[in-house]
Formats: sequence, structure tokens, C-alpha cells
Amino acid sequence: DTEVTQTPKHLVMGMTNKKSLKCEQHMGHRAMYWYKQKAKKPPELMFVYSYEKLSINESVPSRFSPECPNSSLLNLHLHALQPEDSALYLCASSQDVGSGNEQFFGPGTRLTVL
Amino acid sequence: GEDVEQSLFLSVREGDSSVINCTYTDSSSTYLYWYKQEPGAGLQLLTYIFSNMDMKQDQRLTVLLNKKDKHLSLRIADTQTGDSAIYFCAETYYQTGANNLFFGTGTRLTVIP
Repeated sequence: DTEVTQTPKHLVMGMTNKKSLKCEQHMGHRAMYWYKQKAKKPPELMFVYSYEKLSINESVPSRFSPECPNSSLLNLHLHALQPEDSALYLCASSQDVGSGNEQFFGPGTRLTVL
Repeated sequence: GEDVEQSLFLSVREGDSSVINCTYTDSSSTYLYWYKQEPGAGLQLLTYIFSNMDMKQDQRLTVLLNKKDKHLSLRIADTQTGDSAIYFCAETYYQTGANNLFFGTGTRLTVIP
């Protein structure tokens, strides 16, 4: 299995809702990432997990809460989001966080906040 | 902060070669990458080059690296309509024990039949 899967594919939520995005990989990778991509822009790094521990948080607001329950799974819990949080959320994984470890991306979850 | 620049648009005729350019800022980047993104999809890794190389060829793809000028290019030979997509270059930067990717602005390639 050489792919990163993400669910759901699309999500529409209100500003008072709580929802979660899920990412899974079975390549034995020990680093996993969340990126946010606004329309017509490049992806921007949000979080990095290395060996199931959060190693980087790029000053992301606390309404986004990542979780890595095991080495294959990465979740992003969403609460009290704003309309400007609408974007494509991409998950990626790599062998580890060292140099030269290519990141493999999932198809993304397209989030719309009403 | 990092600043990776690309031309926003490129149009080529089917069968011609496409050249997508990228200028990056972090001279300590050890690897530079090219990713492809089709509409509504995630990013697909196309190829990468190690910083001590100046050229890498992979089937229809040729990557050229000019480290002195911090210039990277991706040449696609015999461009096909299926190559229409957004292409991102990405440099690596070191932060808190990890080598992360910083993406360029992206180039939208349109292939005209």
C-alpha cells in the first residue's frame, strides 16, 4: 500500500460545529504532516508529527487540534472555525523528518465553513 | 522567511517541450522537489534533485539546478494534454529537528491540443 488516504473528501460545517478530518497511511512512515491550501495558493505547513509526537506547530490557532493516535493515523479536530478557514486540507507522510525524505500527499479534504 | 518564486502561467502546444522555472532562497536546501497538482486533487511528487547535482533526467522530465543563481527548472518533453496541471517547486528548510518543505507559488501549465 503506497498511498495516503483522507476522509472525508468534502466537509461543510457551521461555525459552531465540531468535526474531525482523518488521514491514514500504511507505508510505515514515521512522519506525518497537515497542510492548508487556499484557492490558487501553495500548501502551507500547519503541523508535523514525528514518531507520534508533535514536533512543529506553525502558530496554528487552537481551533485546530491535531492528534496522532498511532503511527498510521493522523487526525485534525476542528472546533469553532471561521469562514476564512475554508480551504483544502492536505495530509502527507514521509519515512521520517530527515532531509531527502519525500513527502507523499493524500487527495485532501475540501472544507467549507459557513 | 523563504520566498520561492515561479511564473504563474505557461501555455504550450501538445508535442512541444515545456519549461517551468523556479527561483528559491535557501542556499542550504539539500533537496529540491517538483510536485504536480491536478484540479481538486492532492500533490503528486514528480521528481527531485539533490543539491550537489546539476541535472537529473527521468523519462520525459529533466531537472536543471543552478545552485549559484538558486534557479531550478523542470523540462517536460513531448508535452501531453494530461500534463495540464499546476506545478509546484519546493525547497527544504531546517526547523526544530525536521527538514520541511516550502512551496513555490505554483505554475499553471495549459497544454493546447
